[in-house]
Amino acid sequence: GIQVEQSPPDLILQEGANSTLRCNFSDSVNNLQWFHQNPWGQLINLFYIPSGTKQNGRLSATTVATERYSLLYISSSQTTDSGVYFCAVDYTGTASKLTFGTGTRLQVTL
Amino acid sequence: DVKVTQSSRYLVKRTGEKVFLECVQDMDHENMFWYRQDPGLGLRLIYFSYDVKMKEKGDIPEGYSVSREKKERFSLILESASTNQTSMYLCAVYSPSGANVLTFGAGSRLTVL
Repeated sequence: GIQVEQSPPDLILQEGANSTLRCNFSDSVNNLQWFHQNPWGQLINLFYIPSGTKQNGRLSATTVATERYSLLYISSSQTTDSGVYFCAVDYTGTASKLTFGTGTRLQVTL
Repeated sequence: DVKVTQSSRYLVKRTGEKVFLECVQDMDHENMFWYRQDPGLGLRLIYFSYDVKMKEKGDIPEGYSVSREKKERFSLILESASTNQTSMYLCAVYSPSGANVLTFGAGSRLTVL
């Protein structure tokens, strides 16, 4: 199956700092999503981004499908950004084979 | 956007008990999923269903079964709970049009003693 690697595994930032999270995947995909899991365990979809660039407020993401990686940018980080960020990829188009990375744990401190 | 509701947030069960975890969506989407999440292992797919009474095994189906009698409801069943099934269980629904995203419920944290 597809392998998904995320880096870094852990990240500590001061409030206001910027960060870049990376997701590498081993094969062609037609579905790539970024999720944020808050400290209470709720997983929230941030982006559906199998290719190209998207922005939503302080967050943006870029996927370079031909080079099999995706980047999630967090600017002006806030304590509410803390949690675990997951990248997930799928080649079926139906999410039936969605494979998750092991995540990047982000802690934003005051 | 679809809303996904899991019936129990926290459960404590004894070894050998039968456990039902329920998941309900407020739309009419076909694809529903059950994952379990464990530290260091990430999210792993247990089962998914692509329509009423239709199901497929995921990566770790052993010890679990599922039921989908109505389109909006997808149940995960542990026939005889064991301590190694202590975990966070997450239900998800796939929205195929527009956003093409997976939406998760809040999760059910199960402890088997």
